[in-house]
Amino acid sequence: DAGVTQSPTHLIKTRGQQVTLRCSPKSGHDTVSWYQQALGQGPQFIFQYYEEEERQRGNFPDRFSGHQFPNYSSELNVNALLLGDSALYLCASSFDRQGAFFGQGTRLTVV
Amino acid sequence: ILNVEQSPQSLHVQEGDSTNFTCSFPSSNFYALHWYRWETAKSPEALFVMTLNGDEKKKGRISATLNTKEGYSYLYIKGSQPEDSATYLCAFTSGYSTLTFGKGTMLLVSP
Repeated sequence: DAGVTQSPTHLIKTRGQQVTLRCSPKSGHDTVSWYQQALGQGPQFIFQYYEEEERQRGNFPDRFSGHQFPNYSSELNVNALLLGDSALYLCASSFDRQGAFFGQGTRLTVV
Repeated sequence: ILNVEQSPQSLHVQEGDSTNFTCSFPSSNFYALHWYRWETAKSPEALFVMTLNGDEKKKGRISATLNTKEGYSYLYIKGSQPEDSATYLCAFTSGYSTLTFGKGTMLLVSP
């Protein structure tokens, strides 16, 4: 079992661009959550996907959107990137309110 | 707005020292309290999931207690080793497995 895998591991984008981050959940998990960790902060909840729909959303603007596919994998899209979007983006998968398993994250740098 | 506080922010101890950290969280709408260990360049690793008031969990030299009525949890490490060096995160959940994290306690154990 490969656990939760995220891609890419690092990327650099320019302000105003759009980015897509990808996550494959742990085998047997059907729920995917995304978190943003800015420097010096704990991870902040962005949104959660279950049964291909957004089930809950944190306090993030509409520039942040996502998708879940039938195989439970997920994408996080961020439009019109701002410098402040530079952060580590973590994906977590879970099943039936059990503990969440995390990927290693994608480090996004916006210049 | 849910607020999870962790203290201390960082800690530097010598090998063999015992140490403890604190996590405080809202006592209302409580479902579970999670502890994670996060080593640099790795995924956050789940240590404990605690749900019942008075819960005590142990994993090797690490243990945790939970008080849901007053909204705090303690994490203890007995006889710290250099490999215990990591950031320790606690997270509160009130449902749907979405996690509200504290900022973490960064532990450095010197040989």
